[in-house]
Amino acid sequence: DAGVTQSPTHLIKTRGQHVTLRCSPISGHKSVSWYQQVLGQGPQFIFQYYEKEERGRGNFPDRFSARQFPNYSSELNVNALLLGDSALYLCASSLSDSNYGYTFGSGTRLTVV
Amino acid sequence: SQELEQSPQSLIVQEGKNLTINCTSSKTLYGLYWYKQKYGEGLIFLMMLQKGGEEKSHEKITAKLDEKKQQSSLHITASQPSHAGIYLCGADYAGNNRKLIWGLGTSLAVNP
Repeated sequence: DAGVTQSPTHLIKTRGQHVTLRCSPISGHKSVSWYQQVLGQGPQFIFQYYEKEERGRGNFPDRFSARQFPNYSSELNVNALLLGDSALYLCASSLSDSNYGYTFGSGTRLTVV
Repeated sequence: SQELEQSPQSLIVQEGKNLTINCTSSKTLYGLYWYKQKYGEGLIFLMMLQKGGEEKSHEKITAKLDEKKQQSSLHITASQPSHAGIYLCGADYAGNNRKLIWGLGTSLAVNP
């Protein structure tokens, strides 16, 4: 049984570019959350989606957006990339929007140069 | 300042030794999650605690939630090299498990 899968695993982008990160939740999980983890720090909450609706948003600029598809997979989009956007982006899925035990993917390592 | 403080920041122990990691909240906790992370990888769920005084164990790892102190401790007995990694605590302050606030993590190294 596949866990949470994220793609790509690694990515290098130039400042000002746009990036799309993808996440497939565990089969049956309807909620997807996105986190940004800068090296040496804990994860910072970006978004949570449940049943294709945004249920929570962290303190991130409008350059960050996300969406959830009918199959519950999700995309995180970041526009006008800055050097400070370099981080590990983690996706977590759970059964519902208020469920215990998030399951995390291995993350996408984004480097902005 | 951090809502959730973890201590120590880093820890190096000899294989076989016991160790404790603490997570202290500045606000009332509804739930407290413990995760382990290998460098650059995703987080692995260890345990979730909700009730004051609750204690859970998994293999050689035990976690407790002291509601009065708004603190949780993670205790590893007879540490092994496989225990090495970064341990993160995440707090549910809203009571709905929607948005977790995380500590900065404790980096653990276990020397064989």
